[in-house]
Amino acid sequence: GAVVSQHPSRVICKSGTSVKIECRSLDFQATTMFWYRQFPKQSLMLMATSNEGSKATYEQGVEKDKFLINHASLTLSTLTVTSAHPEDSSFYICSAPGAGNDNEQFFGPGTRLTVL
Amino acid sequence: AQSVTQPDIHITVSEGASLELRCNYSYGATPYLFWYVQSPGQGLQLLLKYFSGDTLVQGIKGFEAEFKRSQSSFNLRKPSVHWSDAAEYFCAVGGRSGNTPLVFGKGTRLSVIA
Repeated sequence: GAVVSQHPSRVICKSGTSVKIECRSLDFQATTMFWYRQFPKQSLMLMATSNEGSKATYEQGVEKDKFLINHASLTLSTLTVTSAHPEDSSFYICSAPGAGNDNEQFFGPGTRLTVL
Repeated sequence: AQSVTQPDIHITVSEGASLELRCNYSYGATPYLFWYVQSPGQGLQLLLKYFSGDTLVQGIKGFEAEFKRSQSSFNLRKPSVHWSDAAEYFCAVGGRSGNTPLVFGKGTRLSVIA
């Protein structure tokens, strides 16, 4: 089956630093990937849609200059949290649709970001 | 607007008892429907999905869900709950294009007691 990986799985950083999270489709190509954020005991909220070779589409209220998304290849999308602050601490999950026509999304295992 | 409602925030059941988690959706077209399970600190695991055809869908771990178009519901059921089923359960709805993201409900936390 389709596998999506994320790296790192867990990161702790100081306030003001930038953190890059990678999302890879391991055995299939993904022209589109989605980035979600999940705060403790809450649901997944879509942050942005990552499009290979073009700009990402951000949801309302998500700062595009703070959450930089780059989808440089058909198997890799990166999310960079710039000048991270404690309120950015969250669980970040990416997903990619499979090759079928059923819009089944394959989710990465998530990245736990803690900003001190 | 697309939305998913899971009216039960937390449910506690006894091991061996039956389970039903409720999910209602609002979607402008015929949706694809999903149930995911998430253990603490972990990613999402797909339990089952509905695209078309038989409205009773079988999933992994003994779960099933029934799509009822007239009620805009997609409730998840299991006849006998195991302690290992304790987790967070999310219902999600998506469009029929691979370029549309999923919209998630707020989740239902399941606790299982002996």
